[in-house]
Amino acid sequence: EVQLVESGGGLVHPGESLTLSCAASGFTFSRYAMSWVRRAPGKGLEWVSGISYSGRAYYADSVRGRFTISRDNSKNRLFLHMSSLRADDTAVYYCAKDRIDNDWFHFDSWGQGTLVTVSS
Amino acid sequence: DIQMTQSPSSLSASVGDRVTITCRASQDISNFLAWYQQKPGKIPELLIYAASTLQSGVPSRFSGSGSGTDFTLTISSLQPEDVATYYCQNFKSAPFTFGPGTKVGIK
Repeated sequence: EVQLVESGGGLVHPGESLTLSCAASGFTFSRYAMSWVRRAPGKGLEWVSGISYSGRAYYADSVRGRFTISRDNSKNRLFLHMSSLRADDTAVYYCAKDRIDNDWFHFDSWGQGTLVTVSS
Repeated sequence: DIQMTQSPSSLSASVGDRVTITCRASQDISNFLAWYQQKPGKIPELLIYAASTLQSGVPSRFSGSGSGTDFTLTISSLQPEDVATYYCQNFKSAPFTFGPGTKVGIK
C-alpha cells in the first residue's frame, strides 16, 4: 500500500524559511516523479513543484526562485525547501505521487498534508 | 504557460441528475488532462486521466471526454456522496496547472 507522510509544517514569519519532508513507502520511490500541491484556505488546488525520477525540477511561477524541490532516493524522501515565505504561501501542502513511472505528473496517491502558516 | 478554466464555478443538482463540468485549456494539450475530486475535509482523489480513462475503483457513473482544448467531466446520475469540488489538471507541460475547481452540491 502506498503511503505518503508529510512533515515540517508550522507557523513562520514572513521572510523566513521552512523545509517540508515527505516520507514515501509501498512503492519503488526512485522510479516515480513526485510533486508538491497546495491548497490555501478558501482556495483551490495549486500545483507548486515537481521532480522527475531523474531529478529534473519544475516550479510554478508563484514559487520559482524561492522554493527548491529535491529528493533522496536512498531514503525514499521528498523535500521542499521554502524561503522568503509570504502570507499567500499559507496553505496545506500535499505530497503527491505520479500515477505511472514515466514523468507524466498526474497523481494517484496523496499524503494527508501539512499546514504551513505564514503570519507576523 | 497553459491556463486552465472551468465552468461553472459551482452547481447544485438533484440526486439522480446528470451533471456536466467543462474544462478549457489555453492551448492544445491533446489528451493530457486529469480530473480529481476533493470531498470536504478529505484529500484529492484521481478520477480520470488521459481525458477519458477511468481510474481503477472509480464508479462508472463518472466519465470524461474531450481533446485539444475542451474537456468535460460527466456524472451520469448524481449521488449524495458526490458532493465535492472537482478539478481538472493539465499534465502536458509544466507548470502542471489545475483548474479553479467546480463545487458540486445537492439541491
